[in-house]
Amino acid sequence: DAKTTQPNSMESNEEEPVHLPCNHSTISGTDYIHWYRQLPSQGPEYVIHGLTSNVNNRMASLAIAEDRKSSTLILHRATLRDAAVYYCTFAGGTSYGKLTFGQGTILTVHP
Amino acid sequence: SAVISQKPSRDICQRGTSLTIQCQVDSQVTMMFWYRQQPGQSLTLIATANQGSEATYESGFVIDKFPISRPNLTFSTLTVSNMSPEDSSIYLCSVEVPKAIYGYTFGSGTRLTVV
Repeated sequence: DAKTTQPNSMESNEEEPVHLPCNHSTISGTDYIHWYRQLPSQGPEYVIHGLTSNVNNRMASLAIAEDRKSSTLILHRATLRDAAVYYCTFAGGTSYGKLTFGQGTILTVHP
Repeated sequence: SAVISQKPSRDICQRGTSLTIQCQVDSQVTMMFWYRQQPGQSLTLIATANQGSEATYESGFVIDKFPISRPNLTFSTLTVSNMSPEDSSIYLCSVEVPKAIYGYTFGSGTRLTVV
């Protein structure tokens, strides 16, 4: 099965940028890279997804390596509300409909 | 994006009993997914439920333990049968938003404690 590897935890200060890395060396050519975050006592929330090109939305940016074996979620200015567990997953292509979650990164944001 | 209503939000159950969790979506979706999140752990896919066909279970999950119904395009249930304390987890349903513009949407989960 496709697998992702993320650091267990990261810390940031409020209003600073945060770069959350993810390795996914077994990704297939048709799998989309998805990022979700989970706040305590809530279900995961969609953040962003992409296939090959870098992507931007109102929440974050996604930088995808040229060989697609890694990606980085970028929060441009962290806020206290961004403190959560961030999951990098695959969807579509060979794993259509099936999100395979790794252990995720616990992001702590300091005021 | 789709809005999911999941019930109950939490429950405490006796071992040996069963609990049925409901997932209602505010729009028609082809595929619905059920996940389990054990305490302090990540999410694991239990099964995929398509309307009009049998659910497809992931390795380690069986229909007798986790029967699923999918009577229409907006509703699904997951039953946790013959529960034991090891079944204490958060159970979540998820749907794929059409055209995947917003990715997958998750319900808020059902926190199950088996005593």
